[in-house]
Amino acid sequence: AQKVTQAQTEISVVEKEDVTLDCVYETRDTTYYLFWYKQPPSGELVFLIRRNSFDEQNEISGRYSWNFQKSTSSFNFTITASQVVDSAVYFCALSVNPQGGKLIFGQGTELSVKP
Amino acid sequence: DTEVTQTPKHLVMGMTNKKSLKCEQHMGHRAMYWYKQKAKKPPELMFVYSYEKLSINESVPSRFSPECPNSSLLNLHLHALQPEDSALYLCASSHWTSGGKDTQYFGPGTRLTVL
Repeated sequence: AQKVTQAQTEISVVEKEDVTLDCVYETRDTTYYLFWYKQPPSGELVFLIRRNSFDEQNEISGRYSWNFQKSTSSFNFTITASQVVDSAVYFCALSVNPQGGKLIFGQGTELSVKP
Repeated sequence: DTEVTQTPKHLVMGMTNKKSLKCEQHMGHRAMYWYKQKAKKPPELMFVYSYEKLSINESVPSRFSPECPNSSLLNLHLHALQPEDSALYLCASSHWTSGGKDTQYFGPGTRLTVL
């Protein structure tokens, strides 16, 4: 069975601080796909990144960066110089289906960035 | 363009009512999804349609009836719901592409309240 654990339920930071959201996954499949989504108070899930298990390269996109480590089954997400607009619930998700199908979500981390 | 639209944004219904949720995408995606999300919880998959055929039904009660008239439209027909069915209902779509390149894009959701 697959499982995603986001141990941090809530995080509160002050604007301009860096913050890392942790994600640990479990699967016996050798090929799998990891995702991060952002859910602002409006409710829509916004896709941030997809990472395939065979691609361990870390990625940076503006103030966002992701650290994928197969050795520790982690796919952590860092926001540099956080802003109030980053306040949202962030979900890490796992899929073992190469062609769509079920996403297994973590419980989510609620990030609050205060001015 | 990653737009998935959902109507209505809010819906209040009684337990004896019949109502429908609508989802539309114009990205040429061949798969569409319904998720249910309770407050402070991650989304839970309900149904998946690929190429207009029901691919996955996550043992959802029959009071929820999905329909996919064409590859751009997805409906969720509601009948005899219970108060515990009150939730945010999210629609998503994806290419249904093989090779681990599939990504689900979500709509803004319909907030359903069952009285």
